[in-house]
Amino acid sequence: AQTVTQSQPEMSVQEAETVTLSCTYDTSENNYYLFWYKQPPSRQMILVIRQEAYKQQNATENRFSVNFQKAAKSFSLKISDSQLGDTAMYFCAYSTPDQGGSEKLVFGKGTKLTVNP
Amino acid sequence: DAGVIQSPRHEVTEMGQEVTLRCKPISGHNSLFWYRQTMMRGLELLIYFNNNVPIDDSGMPEDRFSAKMPNASFSTLKIQPSEPRDSAVYFCASSLTAPQPQHFGDGTRLSIL
Repeated sequence: AQTVTQSQPEMSVQEAETVTLSCTYDTSENNYYLFWYKQPPSRQMILVIRQEAYKQQNATENRFSVNFQKAAKSFSLKISDSQLGDTAMYFCAYSTPDQGGSEKLVFGKGTKLTVNP
Repeated sequence: DAGVIQSPRHEVTEMGQEVTLRCKPISGHNSLFWYRQTMMRGLELLIYFNNNVPIDDSGMPEDRFSAKMPNASFSTLKIQPSEPRDSAVYFCASSLTAPQPQHFGDGTRLSIL
C-alpha cells in the first residue's frame, strides 16, 4: 500500500523568510501524482501545488515550489517570502489514477506551519 | 463557479441517532470522494464514486456507514446508529477525470455526544 510520511509535525518561520517542509512517500507505481494541500484554521482544503511523476521539472506556483526527487521518493515544499497568511496545516498527498480515471488521495499526517511576525 | 457544497457545516447529535451528511459536487465533475479527518488518523478516504457508481468503499469503517450518489449532483453519507468515536470532520471532494485535481468542500464537523 502507498504511504506518505511527513516527519515534521510542527514548524515555524519568521515572516519574509523561506521554509521547507519535508515529505517522503512509498510506492511501486510509475505513474502517479503528488500534491501539497493547505488547511488554514478555517478548515478549507486548498490545493497549493501539484507534480506529475513523469515530469522531471519541479513545479512552481508563485512563492511555492517543490523539490521532487523521484529516485529518493522525496517531495518537499519550499515557501519563499513567508506571509502571515501562510500559517496553516500543510498536507502532502499522493495519488495514482485507477482504471476509471479517478484518483484516490493518500495523505500524510500534516505539518503545522506557523509564520511569526 | 460554485465550489463543492456540503451541509450541514456543523452537526451535534446524541449517540444512537441517525446522521446524514450531504454533498453537492461541482457541476460537470464525474468523481466524488468522501474523506474523514481526525486527530488520531488524519485524513482518510472513506469511499469514492465515478459517474455515480461506487468504485471503492474499502475505507468505510463499519456497516453503520453508508453512502449513496443517486445522481451526478448529489451524494449522502449516512451513519446509523452514530457513536461518539464517529466524531470528526467529514469532507466531500469532486474532480474531473484524472489528472485533474480534487476540489474540497468546507467539511462538516460532526460531534456525537
